[in-house]
Amino acid sequence: GAVVSQHPSWVICKSGTSVKIECRSLDFQATTMFWYRQFPKQSLMLMATSNEGSKATYEQGVEKDKFLINHASLTLSTLTVTSAHPEDSSFYICSVESGSNYNEQFFGPGTRLTVL
Amino acid sequence: RKEVEQDPGPFNVPEGATVAFNCTYSNSASQSFFWYRQDCRKEPKLLMSVYSSGNEDGRFTAQLNRASQYISLLIRDSKLSDSATYLCVVMTGGFKTIFGAGTRLFVKA
Repeated sequence: GAVVSQHPSWVICKSGTSVKIECRSLDFQATTMFWYRQFPKQSLMLMATSNEGSKATYEQGVEKDKFLINHASLTLSTLTVTSAHPEDSSFYICSVESGSNYNEQFFGPGTRLTVL
Repeated sequence: RKEVEQDPGPFNVPEGATVAFNCTYSNSASQSFFWYRQDCRKEPKLLMSVYSSGNEDGRFTAQLNRASQYISLLIRDSKLSDSATYLCVVMTGGFKTIFGAGTRLFVKA
């Protein structure tokens, strides 16, 4: 499957700051990447679909001005959590779609965000 | 009703046991189905896609029943390393992906 990296793997920040998370597809040109969030003991929730060269598609209830997504190239998508608050503390995971007929997704290792 | 439902478990089984997980989905237009495993504080890893005809990969067998809208995962000869959370994943058209809440499995020596 595709190899996906994320950076940073964990971050602790003060309330009110902005945090940028990078998602890279290392061996695959990803037209489409996905951003998920996972709270403790809960499943992954799709936040948005990131499309190379165009605006991201956000899921209902996800504020696009709060979670800025930029998919500037076929190998990089970034998620910026703006003016982070403690309730934004979560595990953020990106994935790339495989491009096969079955559309499997391969996930990055995730970024654990803690907002103090 | 949740779009994808799984028994949260936990399932506690001894090594060598056979264990089965079921997952139901509500959208009859769902097109693709997967099982992922997720270890604690790690990202999900694709275990297997679920094909209409069912498929097997070593000790793992997945089945799809479109009429009843459920998929299943069977693990034979459980190993300690199988301990994880197993996520049922359903995809509808346009890449919309829904994750189940996961079923926790503990395999004991």
